[in-house]
Amino acid sequence: DGGITQSPKYLFRKEGQNVTLSCEQNLNHDAMYWYRQDPGQGLRLIYYSQIVNDFQKGDIAEGYSVSREKKESFPLTVTSAQKNPTAFYLCASSSGPYSNQETQYFGPGTRLLVL
Amino acid sequence: DQQVKQNSPSLSVQEGRISILNCDYTNSMFDYFLWYKKYPAEGPTFLISISSIKDKNEDGRFTVFLNKSAKHLSLHIVPSQPGDSAVYFCAASVWNAGNMLTFGGGTRLMVKP
Repeated sequence: DGGITQSPKYLFRKEGQNVTLSCEQNLNHDAMYWYRQDPGQGLRLIYYSQIVNDFQKGDIAEGYSVSREKKESFPLTVTSAQKNPTAFYLCASSSGPYSNQETQYFGPGTRLLVL
Repeated sequence: DQQVKQNSPSLSVQEGRISILNCDYTNSMFDYFLWYKKYPAEGPTFLISISSIKDKNEDGRFTVFLNKSAKHLSLHIVPSQPGDSAVYFCAASVWNAGNMLTFGGGTRLMVKP
């Protein structure tokens, strides 16, 4: 089955700790995205990558970092600089990178909680 | 400044009736619009989309209408079913802008049996 997987489903972070959220896709999509959802709010773009070894900041990139060493993987690190990391994190992909009107498909999400 | 707005945070309808979810946008450059459905603690699921060259797109029980002059789109679900109860997000993107989606805040739909 083709799809997007995110792990873990729940993640706990201690103060001052960096944590990494995994996102893998086997859809052969070029573009991948990370979003954050806070309670009662919409999705906000953290980072995106249109192609391997390239990524760009989204609207709320401060306190986060990413890498795109492989086409199928786009891990997100929540650093200690992110002062309010508690949220639901969603990874998405689309065939991209420069196609018009592409639909993004989402993974199941990771809920990050601060201890 | 929110470029995509869903002004109704919640909507309740009776099973079998029509559900109408609304979305307004301010950026006239948006030319592709999507609706996603989301259950708690799950990722959004793509429902239906519409290009700015159309004013209507239909897929089964779901129809999306686009009014470019009013910068307004709506999702109609007919007939509504209890399984449709979820949060619905509209999203918009600009052609040749890297497929970046801008999301509205969501509307929680509750379909009562």
